[in-house]
Amino acid sequence: DTGVSQDPRHKITKRGQNVTFRCDPISEHNRLYWYRQTLGQGPEFLTYFQNEAQLEKSRLLSDRFSAERPKGSFSTLEIQRTEQGDSAMYLCASSQGRDPKAYNEQFFGPGTRLTVL
Amino acid sequence: AQSVTQLDSHVSVSEGTPVLLRCNYSSSYSPSLFWYVQHPNKGLQLLLKYTSAATLVKGINGFEAEFKKSETSFHLTKPSAHMSDAAEYFCVVSDQGVWITGGGNKLTFGTGTQLKVEL
Repeated sequence: DTGVSQDPRHKITKRGQNVTFRCDPISEHNRLYWYRQTLGQGPEFLTYFQNEAQLEKSRLLSDRFSAERPKGSFSTLEIQRTEQGDSAMYLCASSQGRDPKAYNEQFFGPGTRLTVL
Repeated sequence: AQSVTQLDSHVSVSEGTPVLLRCNYSSSYSPSLFWYVQHPNKGLQLLLKYTSAATLVKGINGFEAEFKKSETSFHLTKPSAHMSDAAEYFCVVSDQGVWITGGGNKLTFGTGTQLKVEL
């Protein structure tokens, strides 16, 4: 399968614990995005990377959240001291960076569903 | 700033009848517009996209959308609904202008329209 993959698909944790999610983009894509989707809402942008550089972060991304893409391939999203309000689906997407028209087309992974008890 | 408004949170149609899902957008620049579909327990799938070419855009599974600048609308249609079309549909906007000036082409999603198809 050459699509975007995310791991784990589901995560249940207790409030106050740290969690880390992984995203593997499509191999030739150099842009990687993280979104969060809460129940009954559309996905909301969190942050994005151009290769290994994190170029933009949403105000939704509090200090407890950190994302990395150390080698410009896979990315991790860590949430420290989780709160019940962090319960959501965390989506990763990737896109090409060479063709300007292709910048817009983002391919999404299946998501990681986080439940904070 | 960019935003989209999906005018109906739920739409119910009978199989074989037309589908209309409404979307209005707001964008400071020339927008790129998309419709994504999300089936239960599956990832978001791109149905179609408008990126300043033809205003009538054809997508997968028989869906179409028409970009109307004067009405700031991008409604999604399908002539004949099928049971497999039942899903959540999202209208999405991305500012190409933002990309040109160094932005990230981040997507702004609407709140979604749940499409129900009945026999």
